[in-house]
Amino acid sequence: DQQVKQNSPSLSVQEGRISILNCDYTNSMFDYFLWYKKYPAEGPTFLISISSIKDKNEDGRFTVFLNKSAKHLSLHIVPSQPGDSAVYFCAAPSRAGGTSYGKLTFGQGTILTVHP
Amino acid sequence: KAGVTQTPRYLIKTRGQQVTLSCSPISGHRSVSWYQQTPGQGLQFLFEYFSETQRNKGNFPGRFSGRQFSNSRSEMNVSTLELGDSALYLCASSLDRGSSEAFFGQGTRLTVV
Repeated sequence: DQQVKQNSPSLSVQEGRISILNCDYTNSMFDYFLWYKKYPAEGPTFLISISSIKDKNEDGRFTVFLNKSAKHLSLHIVPSQPGDSAVYFCAAPSRAGGTSYGKLTFGQGTILTVHP
Repeated sequence: KAGVTQTPRYLIKTRGQQVTLSCSPISGHRSVSWYQQTPGQGLQFLFEYFSETQRNKGNFPGRFSGRQFSNSRSEMNVSTLELGDSALYLCASSLDRGSSEAFFGQGTRLTVV
């Protein structure tokens, strides 16, 4: 049972344009979401997060949107740069009693390629 | 502030052998989690340790085990290695306070031949 899904294995975008990466989840208990960026043979790097009490969170060129009713979140990168080319994962932590436990459920990832 | 450190970075082992991987979390982080990344299965949770206790475990066979020391450093062990254990093993640490993010190490690339 894949509780976090990224249905697009890859995305190709022109430099300067917007990249939109999507993520769906099935577990309504998830109330916090994270996006990670990963280069080959390296560990994921934390990008941005969002709590379910918000529907939007911005950090520079990165904005994450959360639609709880649709159980959907998206990461927008504007403007996209060639250095953004990497694999992007959305993830949700297991939580109990308000504490964030260290078990993250990851989507399968989306390979973003930004062309110069 | 030093990041999460994993050693070794690369490892080649033979089927049937065992291996131990090490992880030093960010100073002050008490939660350490381990993940396996393979091309077919993506990032899969192995287990999580907090204050020297295993708090959560993923769906992996008993050949995969771990432990955490009083200084929060963690080790994971895989016994009786199989070819399918070849993967990138990632360690993550977090403050475990509210909505804390997990920070990952560079990983250990294990190849079983």
